[in-house]
Amino acid sequence: GAVVSQHPSRVICKSGTSVKIECRSLDFQATTMFWYRQFPKQSLMLMATSNEGSKATYEQGVEKDKFLINHASLTLSTLTVTSAHPEDSSFYICSASRGQGAETQYFGPGTRLLVL
Amino acid sequence: SQKIEQNSEALNIQEGKTATLTCNYTNYSPAYLQWYRQDPGRGPVFLLLIRENEKEKRKERLKVTFDTTLKQSLFHITASQPADSATYLCALENYGQNFVFGPGTRLSVLP
Repeated sequence: GAVVSQHPSRVICKSGTSVKIECRSLDFQATTMFWYRQFPKQSLMLMATSNEGSKATYEQGVEKDKFLINHASLTLSTLTVTSAHPEDSSFYICSASRGQGAETQYFGPGTRLLVL
Repeated sequence: SQKIEQNSEALNIQEGKTATLTCNYTNYSPAYLQWYRQDPGRGPVFLLLIRENEKEKRKERLKVTFDTTLKQSLFHITASQPADSATYLCALENYGQNFVFGPGTRLSVLP
């Protein structure tokens, strides 16, 4: 149990376009979902925490108007990178936990974004 | 300032030996700490969680220790195998809201 999927697994887009990444918890209800970004050979950097039905909490330095997060249901959260630029190219990973303050996060397989 | 360090960026060991990875932190007070494994191009996979009141936790060939005085966790893989080659990340609980990850140690187990 505790499987998290992400779609798409990789995406290439042109500069200026928007890209939506989906994160789904397949066999459990995820009250909280986290979005991370990981640059090559670096660790995961938390971008935002989203709770179902409420606005996401963004980490310092992350533009909420650029990285739109929607956690519309207990099994789905989406991250939209708006007006993407080459510097947004990265590995985006979501994770889900069963409740607020839950101890274990279950990670998705990640989405590789390349902006040309 | 807050900081999480993992002993080395890369660690090479011979198959069959014990790998020991270190996670040190500054200006955090985690109630618990976790270790994850990450393979290239994949999301992290949870391995072990250890709480601040636990000295040691084991799971098969894995052992984790947590010393809140030293502000350090050690992660051991005994009888290491080439399949254990991956990047290992420690993550600290951060005031019950989220987790902060260390930079990771890339372990290579040589046959």
